[in-house]
Amino acid sequence: QQQVKQSPQSLIVQKGGISIINCAYENTAFDYFPWYQQFPGKGPALLIAIRPDVSEKKEGRFTISFNKSAKQFSLHIMDSQPGDSATYFCAASGSARQLTFGSGTQLTVLP
Amino acid sequence: GAGVSQTPSNKVTEKGKYVELRCDPISGHTALYWYRQSLGQGPEFLIYFQGTGAADDSGLPNDRFFAVRPEGSVSTLKIQRTERGDSAVYLCASSPSAVSNEQFFGPGTRLTVL
Repeated sequence: QQQVKQSPQSLIVQKGGISIINCAYENTAFDYFPWYQQFPGKGPALLIAIRPDVSEKKEGRFTISFNKSAKQFSLHIMDSQPGDSATYFCAASGSARQLTFGSGTQLTVLP
Repeated sequence: GAGVSQTPSNKVTEKGKYVELRCDPISGHTALYWYRQSLGQGPEFLIYFQGTGAADDSGLPNDRFFAVRPEGSVSTLKIQRTERGDSAVYLCASSPSAVSNEQFFGPGTRLTVL
């Protein structure tokens, strides 16, 4: 059972544009929603995370928007740069602590 | 300080062999997780340690997989009678405590079973 659905599978944006990646979850017991960035041959790196008591969190060029009633959350990358080209994973966890990951979005930012 | 380290970075073995994968967590982190990532997929949970004990091993696929963390720091993932389907990147993550949600990942061990 895929508990976290992520889209799109791949995304191409121009330098300076906004990248938007969406995730939806099923388990209402989830209470922590991180986004990870992964470069080829590397482990996932924690980018930003949110809890369901807030609707938005911003850190630099990265913003998470969270819609608890729709059970959806999204990552927005403002002013996207070629160095942002990587695979992005959303994830969720609850009291059990282990992360349930989405299937990933391969982002390409064109120079 | 140093991040999570994993050794070896690559491991090639033959079907039926036994392998051990090592994880050194961030110093002072009490929680440790193992995940498996197949090509083009997100990581999948295998096992979670809090201190020396396995708090949750519900993600281990079968009894060929076993993990230990005898002193509450370094952990070893052990796979017996490896199968070609075990080929994947095995990721380790650590977290400061049982109440912290933040998990910091190592670079992974790429296991190839021929």
